[in-house]
Amino acid sequence: NFMLTQPHSVSESPGKTVTISCTRSSGSIASNYVQWYQQRPGSSPTTVIYEDNQRPSGVPDRFSGSIDSSSNSASLTISGLKTEDEADYYCQSYDSSNHWVFGGGTKLTVL
Amino acid sequence: EVQLVESGGGLVQPGGSLRLSCAASGFTFSSYWMSWVRQAPGKGLEWVANIKQDGSEKYYVDSVKGRFTISRDNAKNSLYLQMNSLRAEDTAVYYCAREGLVLYWGQGTLVTVSS
Repeated sequence: NFMLTQPHSVSESPGKTVTISCTRSSGSIASNYVQWYQQRPGSSPTTVIYEDNQRPSGVPDRFSGSIDSSSNSASLTISGLKTEDEADYYCQSYDSSNHWVFGGGTKLTVL
Repeated sequence: EVQLVESGGGLVQPGGSLRLSCAASGFTFSSYWMSWVRQAPGKGLEWVANIKQDGSEKYYVDSVKGRFTISRDNAKNSLYLQMNSLRAEDTAVYYCAREGLVLYWGQGTLVTVSS
């Protein structure tokens, strides 16, 4: 099995751009789609990116996803940061047994 | 609008059992894989189990195999999680989720395993 490793926390100022990484420990990051979920304090998670780089309707285009085979990682980039973006973000993919694998989560602080 | 409403959580002693339910609406329930995901207090997300549209395939995280059973009733638009032999480490908020291109989440139900 593999692990998805995320930074524990990141911080940036309003209006700036932040990127959160998600590194796969073994196997290719490109072999299974990566999703990203946002969880605001006290709320359920919501999907902000699916299938590596697709945005659900209603998610602002300030949110974008990508994968990089050279670093075997996925990234979530949020541009034009707003205070409402302050939340925990989780990446998620699948293993060969159709089991889900979550990253440990990244706390985004917008200060 | 997709709606998922979990129920059945509560306080249970170690070794006890609970059955969680998830009532689905706003979509054709029988057309989607469904999942349970949990989150221990102050911790990250952990996938627990999922089930195919017709119930013919079920998958579990290793830590709950043999103790938890996922099931569904498509006629009632409902998903279930039978949890037996509960342990303190099963304490978490349990979320029901609809799979598909975009994952939809319920609001969660808290399960506390403590004596």
